[in-house]
Amino acid sequence: DGGITQSPKYLFRKEGQNVTLSCEQNLNHDAMYWYRQDPGQGLRLIYYSQIVNDFQKGDIAEGYSVSREKKESFPLTVTSAQKNPTAFYLCASSIGGGIGELFFGEGSRLTVL
Amino acid sequence: DQQVKQNSPSLSVQEGRISILNCDYTNSMFDYFLWYKKYPAEGPTFLISISSIKDKNEDGRFTVFLNKSAKHLSLHIVPSQPGDSAVYFCAASESGTYKYIFGTGTRLKVLA
Repeated sequence: DGGITQSPKYLFRKEGQNVTLSCEQNLNHDAMYWYRQDPGQGLRLIYYSQIVNDFQKGDIAEGYSVSREKKESFPLTVTSAQKNPTAFYLCASSIGGGIGELFFGEGSRLTVL
Repeated sequence: DQQVKQNSPSLSVQEGRISILNCDYTNSMFDYFLWYKKYPAEGPTFLISISSIKDKNEDGRFTVFLNKSAKHLSLHIVPSQPGDSAVYFCAASESGTYKYIFGTGTRLKVLA
């Protein structure tokens, strides 16, 4: 099946630790995205990538980093600089260009202890 | 600066009746709009979209209406079913920018 796979589904980390969330897609999509969901705040864009080796900051990029070394993969690192990292993180992909639907993964719940 | 707004956090509707979910946007450059349905702890699933060259798009029980002059879109679900109970997000994008901006969501509860 074609789709987006996020891992892990649940992750706990101590304050001060970096953590990396995995996102892999086999839809052959050029564009990939990371969103964060908090209660009452909808989905906010963290980073997005139009093509391999290129990515842009979204609205809330501070404290996060990404890489796009392969078309299929777009990992997100939540660094210790992110002040409120506890959230539900969603990875998505699209054919590209702002037209066409976003396909989402199942999400990763990060809890900072 | 909330470019996409869903002003109703929640909505309750009787089974079989119409559900109307509303969404407003401020950026006149947006030309593509989408609706997603989301259950807790799952990724959103795509429902329906509309391009700015249209004012209506229909897919089964779901119809999206776009009023460009008012910068307003709405999702109609007819008839509503208990399985429709979920959070609904509208999203907007500007073609060529790769950015999709989401609203804050409306929690729909369909009462049996």
